[in-house]
Amino acid sequence: RKEVEQDPGPFNVPEGATVAFNCTYSNSASQSFFWYRQDCRKEPKLLMSVYSSGNEDGRFTAQLNRASQYISLLIRDSKLSDSATYLCVVERGNTPLVFGKGTRLSVIA
Amino acid sequence: EAGVAQSPRYKIIEKRQSVAFWCNPISGHATLYWYQQILGQGPKLLIQFQNNGVVDDSQLPKDRFSAERLKGVDSTLKIQPAKLEDSAVYLCASTTSGRESDTQYFGPGTRLTVL
Repeated sequence: RKEVEQDPGPFNVPEGATVAFNCTYSNSASQSFFWYRQDCRKEPKLLMSVYSSGNEDGRFTAQLNRASQYISLLIRDSKLSDSATYLCVVERGNTPLVFGKGTRLSVIA
Repeated sequence: EAGVAQSPRYKIIEKRQSVAFWCNPISGHATLYWYQQILGQGPKLLIQFQNNGVVDDSQLPKDRFSAERLKGVDSTLKIQPAKLEDSAVYLCASTTSGRESDTQYFGPGTRLTVL
C-alpha cells in the first residue's frame, strides 16, 4: 500500500459546485498534514495545513480523520481559478514530507 | 521578498551526458530541499540540507546523483551520467528551519528531458 494515496481524477465540475477530495495515508505515526496546490507547469504552493480540529479558509475546508487515516479538502462555490492539481502531503516527524500524486480539478464555465 | 531561484528552467540532454542544476533559496532560509517530480507524480525528496550539512539523502541515487551546498546558501544538483528515466522536473524548496510545521517554498523548477 502506498504511503499516501489520492484519486487522480480528473474531477470536472461546473462553476459554483462543491467538490471534495480525500487522501488516505498508511502510517499511523504521521503527524502533520497539508494540502498543496500545483498549477499546470508551475511549482507547488501551500494551500493549507490540516489540523486535528479541522480548519477553514474562505471557501476551503480541510479535515483530518486519524481513526480512518484520511484527510479531506472541501471546496465550496468553485471558481474557474480553482482548476489545478491538489497534492496531499503527510509528514511523520524527522522524515521527509511524502507527497501524493495529486488530484486534478477542472472547473468548467 | 525574492522567492526561490532556479536555473536553468529547461534542459535537454542525451543519455549518458552530465547536467547540473542550481538553486538559490529564500534569503535566511536554513533548510534546502531538492525534489524530483516525474510527470503525473507528486514531488519525491532527493536530498535535504540544513545549512551546509546533509540531513536526509536516503532517496538520492548516489551512483549518479550528487548535491552540495558548500556555503550553506545556494546549492547544485548534478546527474552524471543521465538516464532516460531521469526526465522530470527538479524542484528546489526552502524553509526557515526545517521544522515540519514550516511552509516549504518551491522554486519554479528545472524541466529536464533526457533523449
